[in-house]
Amino acid sequence: EVYLLESGGGLVQPGGSLRLSCVASGFTFSSLAMSWVRQAPGKGLEWVSSISGSSGSTYYADSVKGRFTISRDNSKSTVYLQMNSLRAEDTAVYFCAKHIPHKKAFDIWGQGTMVTVSS
Amino acid sequence: QSALTQPPSASGSPGQSVTISCTGTSSDVGGYNYVSWYQQHPGKAPKLMIYEVSKRPSGVPDRFSGSKSGNTASLTVSGLQAEDEADYYCSSYGGSDNVLFGGGTKLTVL
Repeated sequence: EVYLLESGGGLVQPGGSLRLSCVASGFTFSSLAMSWVRQAPGKGLEWVSSISGSSGSTYYADSVKGRFTISRDNSKSTVYLQMNSLRAEDTAVYFCAKHIPHKKAFDIWGQGTMVTVSS
Repeated sequence: QSALTQPPSASGSPGQSVTISCTGTSSDVGGYNYVSWYQQHPGKAPKLMIYEVSKRPSGVPDRFSGSKSGNTASLTVSGLQAEDEADYYCSSYGGSDNVLFGGGTKLTVL
């Protein structure tokens, strides 16, 4: 079965840090690009960051550049999102998503993990 | 980069067809054939319905179709069914390895 399972969300104070994890199963993880997409409460989807499969090249939305870091451990079929200097506007459900190779589309999504930034 | 523009709502009766638009610019929707559409039911993860403007993943009913003209992409749902009621989001490659989403359209089946 193909699935993604996120974890690591929770309540954090403004300025704090959090690391999200996403474990993949059922496909050849190491060769595929992965992304994080977030959704603030009652709002739309926002792409956050991507990481390529082979080279590990990373890409970020302007809203998180310099604060968030995406990484992967292919031996554990896991992608991470290290979030620093968190702000109230980072409050959202964070989804992990698998890319269709070379198609700029996400065909497998996790169930999401909630991050709340509040004092 | 700004999000893509979608109407906030759309509706249709069972059996009818409804089309949802997604407007971008020549730097995203108009510049690449990398438009995708996602369906999201409340409290659930998004589901890919269309990619590369008009291609359907395995398992997606052929009632769902996509197209593009200039800077505007469209999703058409034919033969509306109750289970089609959901939020729909368009997405486009925006160059420089950026991905843009639309604001979402709430589809109501009357």
